[in-house]
Amino acid sequence: GAGVSQSPSNKVTEKGKDVELRCDPISGHTALYWYRQSLGQGLEFLIYFQGNSAPDKSGLPSDRFSAERTGGSVSTLTIQRTQQEDSAVYLCASSQDRRETQYFGPGTRLLVL
Amino acid sequence: KQEVTQIPAALSVPEGENLVLNCSFTDSAIYNLQWFRQDPGKGLTSLLLIQSSQREQTSGRLNASLDKSSGRSTLYIAASQPGDSATYLCAVRNNTDKLIFGTGTRLQVFP
Repeated sequence: GAGVSQSPSNKVTEKGKDVELRCDPISGHTALYWYRQSLGQGLEFLIYFQGNSAPDKSGLPSDRFSAERTGGSVSTLTIQRTQQEDSAVYLCASSQDRRETQYFGPGTRLLVL
Repeated sequence: KQEVTQIPAALSVPEGENLVLNCSFTDSAIYNLQWFRQDPGKGLTSLLLIQSSQREQTSGRLNASLDKSSGRSTLYIAASQPGDSATYLCAVRNNTDKLIFGTGTRLQVFP
């Protein structure tokens, strides 16, 4: 079946602009996760959804970052007033249940000029 | 705070060698541990998931072991091939729902 998909695959934006990143999880997966991988850094957790609610937002770096999930499916990560340090690969993952294997999408490569 | 370390950071071996990648974590109260590979410019591919009650998992030429009490896991790759070249990441889950990742081992297998 189809895996996790993310769009856009690449995004170049100017400092101060808002961006929206989209994640389509595997059909039927109730849990959805956002991670960030910065150049030279490891993977860091951003936010987790169970259904449409987000019980853990502890990884969001600042209040410029927000995310929502609708219909228990698609999720959007929004970054407002982007800064150069937001440049990274943003990865989305989903799992059938909150404690099962996480399957990752290909990521969105964000470059803030 | 859980910290995950992977050794070595990089490894270059000739084709055919058996090799071991190491992962250590500071808090042994984990729920499970997962190994991934990441190819350049790509997302992560899940390789093996070991629950805290398990000692090892095998898939093809890959074998992952877990010693929870000592905070260690190893990924054993048998008869390495050039197609195995990638970055290998381990990640642990505590009693939360997020994965804590190590910094990875960059593997190159040359013909």
